[in-house]
Amino acid sequence: DAKTTQPPSMDCAEGRAANLPCNHSTISGNEYVYWYRQIHSQGPQYIIHGLKNNETNEMASLIITEDRKSSTLILPHATLRDTAVYYCIVRVASSSNTGKLIFGQGTTLQVKP
Amino acid sequence: DVKVTQSSRYLVKRTGEKVFLECVQDMDHENMFWYRQDPGLGLRLIYFSYDVKMKEKGDIPEGYSVSREKKERFSLILESASTNQTSMYLCASTSGSMGTGELFFGEGSRLTVL
Repeated sequence: DAKTTQPPSMDCAEGRAANLPCNHSTISGNEYVYWYRQIHSQGPQYIIHGLKNNETNEMASLIITEDRKSSTLILPHATLRDTAVYYCIVRVASSSNTGKLIFGQGTTLQVKP
Repeated sequence: DVKVTQSSRYLVKRTGEKVFLECVQDMDHENMFWYRQDPGLGLRLIYFSYDVKMKEKGDIPEGYSVSREKKERFSLILESASTNQTSMYLCASTSGSMGTGELFFGEGSRLTVL
């Protein structure tokens, strides 16, 4: 699976959009981009994933550049409960690597009042 | 609301004790996983199961075993706990179409072995 690079930490004001970047310059054509987050002392929580088109769900939006070498997770109106470590993961979506999510160091997002 | 439930949030055991960590999911998922999470090492896959009574080794199976007697339940067993097994243990599940499906995680079980 391709390696990802994320900033170690970011701050965001409550109510503003949080934009979390991820670089995955070695991504291959059959690799998806996944985002998870982990609130302190809890298990990781799936947020969103995509292949090449932008995606949106009730939690967030995922913007993937046309060359797919980077992506941005957008939390449109951050709240204090969004304070967490956010992980960007790139993996081939197949049964042969099932469950083999490689969580890097992630980005610690601190939402401030 | 879908749920993966781990039996204990916090456990303290002594070296040499047998430890059972239980995980139950209510989503009728075929696939279940056990990970451990340690600072600086991320999540590491211990064992997983595609179906009842089936199990596969992950990346770090040594010192662990698992049991999947029912579809909804996946147990992790430490036959003889050691101090280097002090960790956060996470259970997860996903549906049969694992290719693009997301993993649902439990809240974790923090095990301390003295």
